[in-house]
Amino acid sequence: SQQGEEDPQALSIQEGENATMNCSYKTSINNLQWYRQNSGRGLVHLILIRSNEREKHSGRLRVTLDTSKKSSSLLITASRAADTASYFCATWQPNSGGYQKVTFGTGTKLQVIP
Amino acid sequence: DTEVTQTPKHLVMGMTNKKSLKCEQHMGHRAMYWYKQKAKKPPELMFVYSYEKLSINESVPSRFSPECPNSSLLNLHLHALQPEDSALYLCASSQVAGGQPQHFGDGTRLSIL
Repeated sequence: SQQGEEDPQALSIQEGENATMNCSYKTSINNLQWYRQNSGRGLVHLILIRSNEREKHSGRLRVTLDTSKKSSSLLITASRAADTASYFCATWQPNSGGYQKVTFGTGTKLQVIP
Repeated sequence: DTEVTQTPKHLVMGMTNKKSLKCEQHMGHRAMYWYKQKAKKPPELMFVYSYEKLSINESVPSRFSPECPNSSLLNLHLHALQPEDSALYLCASSQVAGGQPQHFGDGTRLSIL
């Protein structure tokens, strides 16, 4: 099973509305990151929240983290057409060699309709 | 403009060809990564280089061969690929490996005939 699973898989909203997407993970983490990917492009880092933080803001983005439930949410307020993209959460876990490896969630595809 | 540059942007190759993907960053990052991304799926980690040494190989078939000539460059050598290897190949870098925000290139779209 996947380390990071996101829901919903797809979300379509009107411009100006808020968009919320959720990420669940299975193992303990040091931090959780959110990334955006526009179609045909690479990923762009949006925000990092540490395991001892519960909420973090960056512009129109608000991220929460509940380590007891192993879940995080990303809220985009006052959405714009330019927010149309896929959004992924990412977590790091130690592998058998003692190194940290990253796993991306399944992603939420957001469409903002003008 | 992305700070991680990948070339070529598109590559079509036959199953018997040998080609290389290139990645370059000048941010002074000491960790570099290769990912494979299939359509509508998340990126899957392939390799991690930390201080120019291979630290993670996620059981990638030997027809993919990574190389890190110096701290700014990362190559992925391809040989005898299969049609199922068609995907977007993404390169990323971070200050150090493990938990740091990553900077991604825009990828190489690879098609295997």
